[in-house]
Amino acid sequence: AQTIHQWPVAEIKAVGSPLSLGCTIKGKSSPNLYWYWQATGGTLQQLFYSITVGQVESVVQLNLSASRPKDDQFILSTEKLLLSHSGFYLCAWSLNWGLYAEQFFGPGTRLTVL
Amino acid sequence: QQKVQQSPESLIVPEGGMASLNCTFSDRNSQYFWWYRQHSGEGPKALMSIFSNGDKKEGRFTAHLNKASLYVSLHIKDSQPSDSALYFCAVSNNNNAPRFGAGTKLTVKP
Repeated sequence: AQTIHQWPVAEIKAVGSPLSLGCTIKGKSSPNLYWYWQATGGTLQQLFYSITVGQVESVVQLNLSASRPKDDQFILSTEKLLLSHSGFYLCAWSLNWGLYAEQFFGPGTRLTVL
Repeated sequence: QQKVQQSPESLIVPEGGMASLNCTFSDRNSQYFWWYRQHSGEGPKALMSIFSNGDKKEGRFTAHLNKASLYVSLHIKDSQPSDSALYFCAVSNNNNAPRFGAGTKLTVKP
């Protein structure tokens, strides 16, 4: 069975500080991977996607970057946090691209920037 | 660029009642439609998909798709308090990752 793990569960960080959020998927090889941001009770904004290791595409610019150093790992980071970065960050994977692309979401990381 | 809009923004129904959620999309090439449900503090989970025009029923949930009218809906029969959640419509085609609507917050009152 596939499992998706995100870390940390929650973070409280200061404006201007760096950030690194992680996501691992076990039990599925070469998944498509996604990072989403969600304001409290709000819509899901796709940030990045990756079809293969080492390649990441940006969907929207929010002063964040992403990397996929391993097939099963997706990292979201920034060197300098803004207040607007607060929210719920969700990692997701899908088996297919576009076609029948059911997405499986992780439990999320709650980020509060003060 | 694909636009996906959901209505209403929020919906309150009594326990045992029918909840109807609506979603319109702009890309006529859209082919695959999903409904996701997100309970507070959790990641969204896929509820059901629909790919062909017409109705698709899964238990208490019925999805309806009309591609010509660029419209998809979700109806929840005999709503339960556990159905209270944020519901997202997601639309995709062969070339793009799914695009999500803004969501409808459903509250089922006991």
